[in-house]
Parts: sequence; C-alpha cells; structure tokens
Amino acid sequence: KAGVTQTPRYLIKTRGQQVTLSCSPISGHRSVSWYQQTPGQGLQFLFEYFSETQRNKGNFPGRFSGRQFSNSRSEMNVSTLELGDSALYLCASSLETSTDTQYFGPGTRLTVL
Amino acid sequence: AQSVTQLGSHVSVSEGALVLLRCNYSSSVPPYLFWYVQYPNQGLQLLLKYTTGATLVKGINGFEAEFKKSETSFHLTKPSAHMSDAAEYFCAVTYTGGFKTIFGAGTRLFVKA
Repeated sequence: KAGVTQTPRYLIKTRGQQVTLSCSPISGHRSVSWYQQTPGQGLQFLFEYFSETQRNKGNFPGRFSGRQFSNSRSEMNVSTLELGDSALYLCASSLETSTDTQYFGPGTRLTVL
Repeated sequence: AQSVTQLGSHVSVSEGALVLLRCNYSSSVPPYLFWYVQYPNQGLQLLLKYTTGATLVKGINGFEAEFKKSETSFHLTKPSAHMSDAAEYFCAVTYTGGFKTIFGAGTRLFVKA
C-alpha cells in the first residue's frame, strides 16, 4: 500500500498570502488529522476530518481551515499568512479514529517571508 | 485537561547503553498511548502502541514500553542503543472515541560512539 502523501513538500510564501496544502491518505483510511510542528510549540493538533466532516479542532485561529473530499483526500488552507505560520505541517491518516494507528506523511515545510 | 509530559528535551547515551525516555500523562479515563520516532525532515513513524491488555508493549527496532497506571507513566526503553537510534521521540495519548491526539514536547536522543 502506498503511504500518506503530502504535496507540496516545500513552500515559500510571503506575509499576507494564502496557501493550500494537500494530503492523500492511505487507501481505505477515512480519518485525516493535521498537525503543525514548530521548534517552539512542538506538535500541535489542528483538526481532524472523517467522512468529509470536521470532528475536532485545535486552538488555532480561523485563518486555518480544512476540508475533506469524498475520496478521503484532505486539504488545509491558511489565509493571510503570518511569519509565525512557518512550520512543518504534518498530515496523518487512520482507519476510523485517532485511537487507531495514525500513519504520518513526510510533511509540507512552509516558510513565510 | 489531558496532557503529556516528556522528561528531558535531550538525552545522550553511549552506543550499547540502555535507552530510557520518560513519558507521563494525565488522564481521567483509560488512555491509548503511543510512541513515535521522527528522523530529520521526515514524518513520524509509530514505534509502539498501548491499547488494553498486556502492560509491556514491544515495538519495532528493539524498543519497548511499559504502561504503569498507578504512576500514569509510559516510559520507552531499549536495552542497547545503536547509532541509528539518534532521532526525536514523541509520546502521545488519545482516548476511546477520541478524535484528537495530544503529543508530548519530544525528546531528542543522541547516541555517542
């Protein structure tokens, strides 16, 4: 089985722009979670989707949003980028819930200048 | 609120020595516990997982962890460190019906020759 794929792997944007990141889960996995990883804050939960519905959301501003498609692929969007949004964004997929094993993608490294 | 504490942001051991990475969690309900490893510029890889049953969990690469409910701990051990074990390790917790995983801050393991 192919693993979790994330595109693009690297992204450079400037403040004020918006960005969309994509995640394709492992075939058969219906739950997709997103995390932000920074040296200062560590791994922080952004949101989790299942069957095109957001089931849980972390403590991030409304500039961070996401969606999931019927094929379980997911996108996250960050609008009005700030310097502090520079991070590694990780996507993880699991069968049904986060108590199932989560499989992580390689991440998208976002740099905001 | 649920939380995960990893004692020691950096741990250094000699090759062949015992590896011990500490993790404590706070929980009012039975948790599901995980250890993940992250190599530079990569996503997270599951080392092992505790759900229910046997409290000593064996994982990949010779790692194991013991769930101690009375101490709310889930420490990770490996009898003999190898240079290839140098990486960052994350302890994580989630709950039955949970749609959110909480990660510890991570422990970077250094292995000296």
